Amino acid sequence: AQSVTQLDSQVPVFEEAPVELRCNYSSSVSVYLFWYVQYPNQGLQLLLKYLSGSTLVKGINGFEAEFNKSQTSFHLRKPSVHISDTAEYFCAVSDDGGSNYKLTFGKGTLLTVNP
Amino acid sequence: SQTIHQWPATLVQPVGSPLSLECTVEGTSNPNLYWYRQAAGRGLQLLFYSVGIGQISSEVPQNLSASRPQDRQFILSSKKLLLSDSGFYLCAWSTGIGNQPQHFGDGTRLSIL
Repeated sequence: AQSVTQLDSQVPVFEEAPVELRCNYSSSVSVYLFWYVQYPNQGLQLLLKYLSGSTLVKGINGFEAEFNKSQTSFHLRKPSVHISDTAEYFCAVSDDGGSNYKLTFGKGTLLTVNP
Repeated sequence: SQTIHQWPATLVQPVGSPLSLECTVEGTSNPNLYWYRQAAGRGLQLLFYSVGIGQISSEVPQNLSASRPQDRQFILSSKKLLLSDSGFYLCAWSTGIGNQPQHFGDGTRLSIL
């Protein structure tokens, strides 16, 4: 069975500061990793994904994430945040172990960007 | 391009009433379809998923059911709503090929009175 832990439930930062949202996972097989963003009262939007290859993946809105297999982590980063980045962020994992590509989600991190 | 539609956006229902939420996908065929419920501070809980017409897998025992009468249509239902059914319901689809991500609708906010 796979699981995802988002280590911070809330992260407050000031505008133009860098931010890192942490995600750790556990799985006994190869994994595929995703970050989603959710704005209030909306569905989830895919930010980026790691499937294979380069461990540094770039996504939309200036976000990037690094897959670290030895530390089983997939932290999300942005060098300079904007007010509009205020949202909830979800890390998710899927495996190739015959699970019909179901996603397991973390509980989310609320990023609040203050002026 | 592919799109996913969910309706209604908000719904207020009395306890004991029936429920029907609909989700349709356009621009793809034979998608995997998913229903999630989201409660504050608890992330997303997968309720049902479907890999084809008439094929429904339930993830958690509950007061809800799902059906897939057509390839790109997924319906979430209940005969009698409970207070605990309140929440934000999200439909999603994926290609079901390899490791592609899921794509979400805009959700339905369900309030039970």
